Amino acid sequence: SQELEQSPQSLIVQEGKNLTINCTSSKTLYGLYWYKQKYGEGLIFLMMLQKGGEEKSHEKITAKLDEKKQQSSLHITASQPSHAGIYLCGVSAAYKLSFGAGTTVTVRA
Amino acid sequence: GAGVSQSPSNKVTEKGKDVELRCDPISGHTALYWYRQRLGQGLEFLIYFQGNSAPDKSGLPSDRFSAERTGESVSTLTIQRTQQEDSAVYLCASSPTTGGRYEQYFGPGTRLTVT
Repeated sequence: SQELEQSPQSLIVQEGKNLTINCTSSKTLYGLYWYKQKYGEGLIFLMMLQKGGEEKSHEKITAKLDEKKQQSSLHITASQPSHAGIYLCGVSAAYKLSFGAGTTVTVRA
Repeated sequence: GAGVSQSPSNKVTEKGKDVELRCDPISGHTALYWYRQRLGQGLEFLIYFQGNSAPDKSGLPSDRFSAERTGESVSTLTIQRTQQEDSAVYLCASSPTTGGRYEQYFGPGTRLTVT
């Protein structure tokens, strides 16, 4: 099975500062999903990357996929309190999603 | 449009009782999934429905767990004779699965506590 390792496990960032989360796969990445989880809100779909070198942005969140490194990164620019939560990277084997352990982001005012 | 909805949001039940959890997927989504998330753990796949095909039940942990879906609409997850280890957040997700799109949209979950 494909394993995903996320780093860091948690981070605290000052509001307005940037942050980066990494997701490394044990196998070749053919596609990767980023989700955000907040208590009581389930998982929120952020974006899906399908091709090596692909980069997508949504508001202040940018994600990149590096197939050669079997890695994806999620970058948040000028973090806000609304960015706090648990960020999960996931891969799909057919239709089953499996996720990394998550990165807990805390944004301090 | 409306997202995936689940009910109830919270359920406390006594050990040995049966519970039924409900999921309303996004309209038009052909695929529906149930996951379980125990405290401090990752998501655990339970079951997958795709249209009228036979569901993939490979993730159901025991025969106390069952799920149904009527066509491409509502799904119910039933847990019989609940045990304390069944306590978890049960998440439902739906997916369009058209045009090669498989991103899953999750509901807010049902937090089940078995006392």
